[in-house]
Amino acid sequence: GENVEQHPSTLSVQEGDSAVIKCTYSDSASNYFPWYKQELGKRPQLIIDIRSNVGEKKDQRIAVTLNKTAKHFSLHITETQPEDSAVYFCAASVDSSASKIIFGSGTRLSIRP
Amino acid sequence: ETGVTQSPTHLIKTRGQQVTLRCSSQSGHNTVSWYQQALGQGPQFIFQYYREEENGRGNFPPRFSGLQFPNYSSELNVNALELDDSALYLCASSPGTVQKARYGYTFGSGTRLTVV
Repeated sequence: GENVEQHPSTLSVQEGDSAVIKCTYSDSASNYFPWYKQELGKRPQLIIDIRSNVGEKKDQRIAVTLNKTAKHFSLHITETQPEDSAVYFCAASVDSSASKIIFGSGTRLSIRP
Repeated sequence: ETGVTQSPTHLIKTRGQQVTLRCSSQSGHNTVSWYQQALGQGPQFIFQYYREEENGRGNFPPRFSGLQFPNYSSELNVNALELDDSALYLCASSPGTVQKARYGYTFGSGTRLTVV
């Protein structure tokens, strides 16, 4: 089955700097790649997603890139702010219904003031 | 508010007991998925229900079972609880269908289960 690897597990950046989180997936049939942000004690919330027919997508300070050939995708956060501190999960969908989503192990992002 | 509600929010059970967790999906969503999130880990897919039938299952033993009702609400049942079952259990609803790719996932706040 699908396996999603995520790196790094922890990341600390200075406020205002950029943060990059990288993921790889194993199943070449995966066609949907969402990113979730989970604050302490709260539910995961979708922050951005990308589909396999697109190489890059941007939403304000957040961008995702997808390299289908290499089977990896990345999350980029620019001009980081204290409220960006959270755990971020990448994920990939594995079947045509695209409703079963496999998550990475998470990256704990800390923003230093 | 996302519209996906789970109950109870917290639960403490003894090893060997049985537990039922409940989820009310967001209006218009006919697909419900259940995930187990251990402390410090990513959510692990347990199973998914679409129109009252199981539609995919992750690597969990048969003592994890579920139901979906005509109003698309759902239950997760776990028998013979083990200490390792302690985790946050998340329900996610989506408007997905089997034939069509629909991607919107809305998570509930979860039920934190502690097995002692």
